[in-house]
Amino acid sequence: AQTVTQSQPEMSVQEAETVTLSCTYDTSESDYYLFWYKQPPSRQMILVIRQEAYKQQNATENRFSVNFQKAAKSFSLKISDSQLGDAAMYFCAYRRSYTGTASKLTFGTGTRLQVTL
Amino acid sequence: DVKVTQSSRYLVKRTGEKVFLECVQDMDHENMFWYRQDPGLGLRLIYFSYDVKMKEKGDIPEGYSVSREKKERFSLILESASTNQTSMYLCASSLTGQYSPLHFGNGTRLTVT
Repeated sequence: AQTVTQSQPEMSVQEAETVTLSCTYDTSESDYYLFWYKQPPSRQMILVIRQEAYKQQNATENRFSVNFQKAAKSFSLKISDSQLGDAAMYFCAYRRSYTGTASKLTFGTGTRLQVTL
Repeated sequence: DVKVTQSSRYLVKRTGEKVFLECVQDMDHENMFWYRQDPGLGLRLIYFSYDVKMKEKGDIPEGYSVSREKKERFSLILESASTNQTSMYLCASSLTGQYSPLHFGNGTRLTVT
């Protein structure tokens, strides 16, 4: 079974600074998909960014980017120019490639990010 | 925008009660999911459904059942609620496709006393 590990339960960053959240995963497959979700205090989980394993280029969405290291099975999230609204719980998730029915996402335990003035 | 609506934001039930958590999505998504969220454990999949009347067990199905009679609605049923089922429950939906993201509801915080 695939596992996703987020080793940082909590992180803190000052406004306008850059922070990196780590995520590692365990899989024997070569084709899969990776996601970062954000859960603010409102509880609504929101997709931040996603990456296909067969693409070597790291995904970027505005201030959010990933460092995808396939050999190391690492998928870290970098938030640049941090804003107060970035304060949230961040979850890393893995989905295996499939040919049949719906494939589930396996989530990590989350990292709580605090943004300070 | 996809809207996933969970019927209750907070729910308090007694041990032994039968509990229904309802979820409705408005974007004609084939797939629907029920996750449970607990501090330090992240999100764990209870059940998912890839079509009407079709369901598959997730990682922690014990004590739960589901129903999907219509494409837009996916219900989670606790047959006899227990205190260890006190948790946050998140419903999600998605299109079929490996790259399709999950769209989540706002969650139901269930307390079983």
